[in-house]
Amino acid sequence: DVKVTQSSRYLVKRTGEKVFLECVQDMDHENMFWYRQDPGLGLRLIYFSYDVKMKEKGDIPEGYSVSREKKERFSLILESASTNQTSMYLCASSLIAGGDGELFFGEGSRLTVL
Amino acid sequence: AQKITQTQPGMFVQEKEAVTLDCTYDTSDPSYGLFWYKQPSSGEMIFLIYQGSYDQQNATEGRYSLNFQKARKSANLVISASQLGDSAMYFCAMRWGQAGTALIFGKGTTLSVSS
Repeated sequence: DVKVTQSSRYLVKRTGEKVFLECVQDMDHENMFWYRQDPGLGLRLIYFSYDVKMKEKGDIPEGYSVSREKKERFSLILESASTNQTSMYLCASSLIAGGDGELFFGEGSRLTVL
Repeated sequence: AQKITQTQPGMFVQEKEAVTLDCTYDTSDPSYGLFWYKQPSSGEMIFLIYQGSYDQQNATEGRYSLNFQKARKSANLVISASQLGDSAMYFCAMRWGQAGTALIFGKGTTLSVSS
C-alpha cells in the first residue's frame, strides 16, 4: 500500500515563527502536493512538485514556500507564521500525471498559530 | 478558469436509501478527469471513483456510481443502499489537461446517514 506520512499531526506555533511541515511518501511517486483544508472552503492547492527540485504554485501560495530535495520528501515552509494560516494541511502524492492517477493523501497536520 | 461546484453543504439520508451528491464543473479543456473522495471524521481522504472525459460509460465501483452528464457538465455521485459508515464529507475534484497533475476540489458535502 502507498503510504504518505506527515511528520506532525498537531502543531501549535506562535505568530512569526518559522514552521516546517514534512511529508514523505514511500512509493516512488513523481508528483507531490500540499493542500490546506478549511471549513466551507474545501481543499485548496498551495504548491505542487512534479520532480525533484521542481515546484509549481497552486492557487494560494502566498506566505508559503516548499522544498523538494529528494524524490520521496516534500516540505512546506511557513517563513513567518500568521494566525490566518491556522488550518489543516494535507500532503498528497501521485504516480503519474494526467489520466486516472489518483492522489494518495497523508493523515493531515493540524496547525494552530497563536 | 477551471472550477468545481458542490451546492449541497449537507445531505441527510436513512440507511438503505440511495443518495445523490451533486457536482458541476467548468473547464474549456476537452481532456479532464473527475474524482470523488470521502473524508470520514478521522480525517483521511479515501479515493472512491474516477471518470475520464472521454469515457463512454458511467463509472461504477461497488455501491458508488458516477452519473456523468457531459453536456450539462455534471458528475454526480450516487451511493446506493446507504450505510451508517457512509456518514462523511464527500469531495468532488477535477484534473484537467493531458499533462495535468494537480486536482482542484469542491467545497464538499457532508452526508449524514441515520438508522
